[in-house]
Amino acid sequence: AQSVTQPDIHITVSEGASLELRCNYSYGATPYLFWYVQSPGQGLQLLLKYFSGDTLVQGIKGFEAEFKRSQSSFNLRKPSVHWSDAAEYFCAVGGWNTGNQFYFGTGTSLTVIP
Amino acid sequence: DAEITQSPRHKITETGRQVTLACHQTWNHNNMFWYRQDLGHGLRLIHYSYGVHDTNKGEVSDGYSVSRSNTEDLPLTLESAASSQTSVYFCASSESVGGNIQYFGAGTRLSVL
Repeated sequence: AQSVTQPDIHITVSEGASLELRCNYSYGATPYLFWYVQSPGQGLQLLLKYFSGDTLVQGIKGFEAEFKRSQSSFNLRKPSVHWSDAAEYFCAVGGWNTGNQFYFGTGTSLTVIP
Repeated sequence: DAEITQSPRHKITETGRQVTLACHQTWNHNNMFWYRQDLGHGLRLIHYSYGVHDTNKGEVSDGYSVSRSNTEDLPLTLESAASSQTSVYFCASSESVGGNIQYFGAGTRLSVL
């Protein structure tokens, strides 16, 4: 069965510090992987996606993520966090095995302190 | 610019009433999805559609229905609202290619009292 695990429910970082949000997935074939960000009261915005090719993908707002097939992981990183990055982050997996459906993790809430 | 809009943004209703949440997209996407978002559960799929007159049940479809009469709209109906359906509802759409990017609306916050 397809599933996504985000082990960290909540993370607090200082502004300017580096960030890594973890995502592990279970999927029966080559996955398509996504990170979305949700600001309070807003819908989900795509940060980045991995379909194939280079396992390090760049996204918007200075985020990047690395696909590691051996670890079934797709962790999100940012070298220097800004106060405006405070939000909820969701990892999702989809692909040909699941048609057009996505499976979302439960999300990681990020707090940024001055 | 193409977009996906949900209405209303906020809704309060009473137990037992029928409620319909609207979703309209101008992307001309074939695929549309309804999710509910609850603390500790992330987003869970309610119903989805791959095209006009096509509807499918998702993970948490009990008590909900959808119909797709055109490409642009996928309304979500709660036949008899229950307090357990208090949630934030998101609509999304995507192109037909498998695993393609889903674009989300801003959400509808529904309270069932």
